[in-house]
Amino acid sequence: TQTVSQSDAHVTVFEGDSVELRCNYSYGGSIYLSWYIQHHGHGLQFLLKYYSGNPVVQGVNGFEAEFSKSDSSFHLRKASVHWSDSAVYFCALYMGYKLTFGTGTSLLVDP
Amino acid sequence: DMKVTQMPRYLIKRMGENVLLECGQDMSHETMYWYRQDPGLGLQLIYISYDVDSNSEGDIPKGYRVSRKKREHFSLILDSAKTNQTSVYFCASRQGNTEVFFGKGTRLTVV
Repeated sequence: TQTVSQSDAHVTVFEGDSVELRCNYSYGGSIYLSWYIQHHGHGLQFLLKYYSGNPVVQGVNGFEAEFSKSDSSFHLRKASVHWSDSAVYFCALYMGYKLTFGTGTSLLVDP
Repeated sequence: DMKVTQMPRYLIKRMGENVLLECGQDMSHETMYWYRQDPGLGLQLIYISYDVDSNSEGDIPKGYRVSRKKREHFSLILDSAKTNQTSVYFCASRQGNTEVFFGKGTRLTVV
């Protein structure tokens, strides 16, 4: 059973386009979700998190994500992407101490 | 400066040799992790450490063991490395419900 699912392995957009990266989860406990970004050859860096409260959370560099309990989703969005946003994006679910990742979505922004 | 440091960054070992990957953090975080990252599989959890000498298996512990004798250090040991342990290994740390901080990774090749 896949706990965190990222349905798109690759997404390509043009600079200035908007983008949505999809994440769905399956978990019966308290929900704590995050998005991380990984540039080529580097470790993962935190973008944003949702734990409770406002379902739309703001992150760094203009990224935001929206939590939906009814859809079991936590999709990441950006209104206008820059070529430097090209990276792999991971959705992650905290299950107590354990942090489980999706398989990642590679975003390519064409200049 | 909050940092997770991994040494070495690159390592080539022969099959059957012992491997020691080291990780340090300067944030006094209680919880530390070892993950491996393989193409198409995302990050897979090998071990979690809750504090000194308090470790727990993750999802793929077979072939690995860990050591945590000081809060700031968490080592991953491969006794008799196998070719299928060729991967990129990431160490991470976290305190409570905060974000997880990742190191830059160690690329291990077992030939």
